[in-house]
Amino acid sequence: AQSVTQLDSQVPVFEEAPVELRCNYSSSVSVYLFWYVQYPNQGLQLLLKYLSGSTLVKGINGFEAEFNKSQTSFHLRKPSVHISDTAEYFCAVGNTDKLIFGTGTRLQVFP
Amino acid sequence: DTEVTQTPKHLVMGMTNKKSLKCEQHMGHRAMYWYKQKAKKPPELMFVYSYEKLSINESVPSRFSPECPNSSLLNLHLHALQPEDSALYLCASSQNGAYEQYFGPGTRLTVT
Repeated sequence: AQSVTQLDSQVPVFEEAPVELRCNYSSSVSVYLFWYVQYPNQGLQLLLKYLSGSTLVKGINGFEAEFNKSQTSFHLRKPSVHISDTAEYFCAVGNTDKLIFGTGTRLQVFP
Repeated sequence: DTEVTQTPKHLVMGMTNKKSLKCEQHMGHRAMYWYKQKAKKPPELMFVYSYEKLSINESVPSRFSPECPNSSLLNLHLHALQPEDSALYLCASSQNGAYEQYFGPGTRLTVT
């Protein structure tokens, strides 16, 4: 069975500050890991994904994530956030056709 | 074009109504998905169609009936819904399964 835990339900941060959104996963097989963003009243957009290879993954909008197999983590980072990054962020684990999402982290960026 | 479109954007229906949600993609993707998302919760997978055949049904009640008429179109037929079925219904498509799914904007359904 696979599962994802997002440890923080909300992360408040000031504009231009760095941010880290935490994600831990559990799986008995090889996994593929994803971060999706959902802006208010919209669908989900893929930020980045880890399938194999380099453990540091760069995505859109300046986000990056690091896959850490020993700690079963896939934390999302951005060195300097903007107001427009305010959204819900979902970590997900996938295998074949199924995506299993974490409970989400609400990133709130303040001016 | 990486767009998945969904209609209608909003839908209000009574518990005795029959309605349908529609999803279209023109990316040539072989798989299409329906998800249900309650407020402040993650999306939950409902159905997966692969090459126009139902491949996954996550034990969804029969009042939800999916249909895939062709490779570009996915419908979700609704009948005798309950107020607790009110949610955002998201459609997604993918050529490579879970590896990269493209989501539509969703249909916000309210059951009265």
